[in-house]
Amino acid sequence: SAVISQKPSRDICQRGTSLTIQCQVDSQVTMMFWYRQQPGQSLTLIATANQGSEATYESGFVIDKFPISRPNLTFSTLTVSNMSPEDSSIYLCSAWRADTGELFFGEGSRLTVL
Amino acid sequence: GENVEQHPSTLSVQEGDSAVIKCTYSDSASNYFPWYKQELGKRPQLIIDIRSNVGEKKDQRIAVTLNKTAKHFSLHITETQPEDSAVYFCAAIPSGTGANNLFFGTGTRLTVIP
Repeated sequence: SAVISQKPSRDICQRGTSLTIQCQVDSQVTMMFWYRQQPGQSLTLIATANQGSEATYESGFVIDKFPISRPNLTFSTLTVSNMSPEDSSIYLCSAWRADTGELFFGEGSRLTVL
Repeated sequence: GENVEQHPSTLSVQEGDSAVIKCTYSDSASNYFPWYKQELGKRPQLIIDIRSNVGEKKDQRIAVTLNKTAKHFSLHITETQPEDSAVYFCAAIPSGTGANNLFFGTGTRLTVIP
């Protein structure tokens, strides 16, 4: 399985600030994604991180609020901008390995906005 | 698009008993069906998956069955143990669309009572 390192693991932030989450994968993967998981809820796809180009966002998520970068195959960042308490959630990085056809998740970043 | 429904939302079983979680999907083109286990505060971990060219797959105490005609698939855990307690998510992905179209069920919280 691919090893995915994600940081920070948790953070407490003030309203109006921004936080960038980093994700590093140990092997070359074809696709990287960012999910959000509200407490007790399922996983909601935020966007697909595209290498060297703009991310592809799902309905309800926009680039101004969740800018994403993927400068190379194994690294991506998600920024949660101008945070409000409603952004308090777990954010999960994931990677798809085409050779095995499997999706793996990072440990997640638990964000609390006060 | 795909719609994945998962039942039950909660399940309690006595240690040693079997647990069954069921999912239905709407898109007949879906051909990959993974199951994830998420322990409290941990990442979702792939525990078993099945592709549309087989009807059943087994890995020790865990098995998954797929009925493409009825468009449903199930997770079976036999001889349950307390460490099986977690939230389980099913997912479905339509053929050829990539992991960005991985649709997750709403999750089942399994509690194994010692």
